[in-house]
Amino acid sequence: DVKVTQSSRYLVKRTGEKVFLECVQDMDHENMFWYRQDPGLGLRLIYFSYDVKMKEKGDIPEGYSVSREKKERFSLILESASTNQTSMYLCASSLNGGGSQPQHFGDGTRLSIL
Amino acid sequence: AQKVTQAQTEISVVEKEDVTLDCVYETRDTTYYLFWYKQPPSGELVFLIRRNSFDEQNEISGRYSWNFQKSTSSFNFTITASQVVDSAVYFCALSGNNAGNMLTFGGGTRLMVKP
Repeated sequence: DVKVTQSSRYLVKRTGEKVFLECVQDMDHENMFWYRQDPGLGLRLIYFSYDVKMKEKGDIPEGYSVSREKKERFSLILESASTNQTSMYLCASSLNGGGSQPQHFGDGTRLSIL
Repeated sequence: AQKVTQAQTEISVVEKEDVTLDCVYETRDTTYYLFWYKQPPSGELVFLIRRNSFDEQNEISGRYSWNFQKSTSSFNFTITASQVVDSAVYFCALSGNNAGNMLTFGGGTRLMVKP
């Protein structure tokens, strides 16, 4: 079974802090994704990565950056956390496959910015 | 542009009732893939099924069944004899023929099954 592990289930940080959310997958997947999920807004893609050191902006990249130094790890960085970044963050990974491969998700991180 | 619409934001049923979750999609791709995910209260999204655009056979897995109709651009999900453990948010998603397996998600349907 695919395992996508997010470093924290719950996280509380303060406004202005630099926040790191870590995600690790154990199935040698090429693609990795970061989403945020908010009530009434569904899942919105923040960033994704096709390969090591490659990244592409999703729908809402403002205020975020990412890092993929190793194939199995994809980090989401909040450069200067703000209260409007309080949300549920979900990491996912998938194989390449012309759109056919499902994404596999981690348990999510509920981030609160005070 | 691709779009997935789940018109039912919330459904409430009593245990053992059958329930159908609707999903309508839009795409210009001739090859595409449809997915259903379940998100229980614990938060993780669980992959349930994938369907490709050239296979319109319906699928049944235990109490779950899926009805794919290209003519109406729909991919509906039915739970037979619902149980309390089926309570979750269900997402329908669409992927076109793209190397990165990008998904377009619907807004989700919250299903509440009452005992």
